[in-house]
Amino acid sequence: AAGVIQSPRHLIKEKRETATLKCYPIPRHDTVYWYQQGPGQDPQFLISFYEKMQSDKGSIPDRFSAQQFSDYHSELNMSSLELGDSALYFCASSIRTRTDTQYFGPGTRLTVL
Amino acid sequence: QQQVKQSPQSLIVQKGGISIINCAYENTAFDYFPWYQQFPGKGPALLIAIRPDVSEKKEGRFTISFNKSAKQFSLHIMDSQPGDSATYFCAASSMEYGNKLVFGAGTILRVKS
Repeated sequence: AAGVIQSPRHLIKEKRETATLKCYPIPRHDTVYWYQQGPGQDPQFLISFYEKMQSDKGSIPDRFSAQQFSDYHSELNMSSLELGDSALYFCASSIRTRTDTQYFGPGTRLTVL
Repeated sequence: QQQVKQSPQSLIVQKGGISIINCAYENTAFDYFPWYQQFPGKGPALLIAIRPDVSEKKEGRFTISFNKSAKQFSLHIMDSQPGDSATYFCAASSMEYGNKLVFGAGTILRVKS
């Protein structure tokens, strides 16, 4: 079965640089969630989208922005990167009628040097 | 402050034994309680989930027990196997809050062969 695809899988950036993470949801899934997981920590909700509209926002820094496109894929844009942004970033997808059931992608490991 | 409290932090079980992980929550608006399994460097994988109108749900070797009055739920892994060694996260969500997942801190399970 098709799963959530995230790219890139690994990303290394310098402080103050910009990063773009991409998420391709499971086919026919129309809702996307982004989570951040620090080392040894639980995933923390960042932001979610349904039908290209932001549906909810968590503890996402103002330096981060995201959007969902017409094909339902989503991109998380991160600017002015800080050392503390180093983490695993997960995207999860679901169907609007079952948004409680979220399926996670493999994640993007971002390292900021 | 962790909205979903998970214990123990780590657990060592002999092969064939029963692994038990407990979670507690405060927000009575939560209406969906999934458990996720995560291997190092991988995305969380949905194991099993339950809603408050059911007190127990079983899928294979995995069972969720739910106590609505106590606001507690637990995961039981029967006949634990070395391949079950992973980090387990309980989570909770609510339609009222856009179904974003709130995770417990995680339990590192090691099954000794």
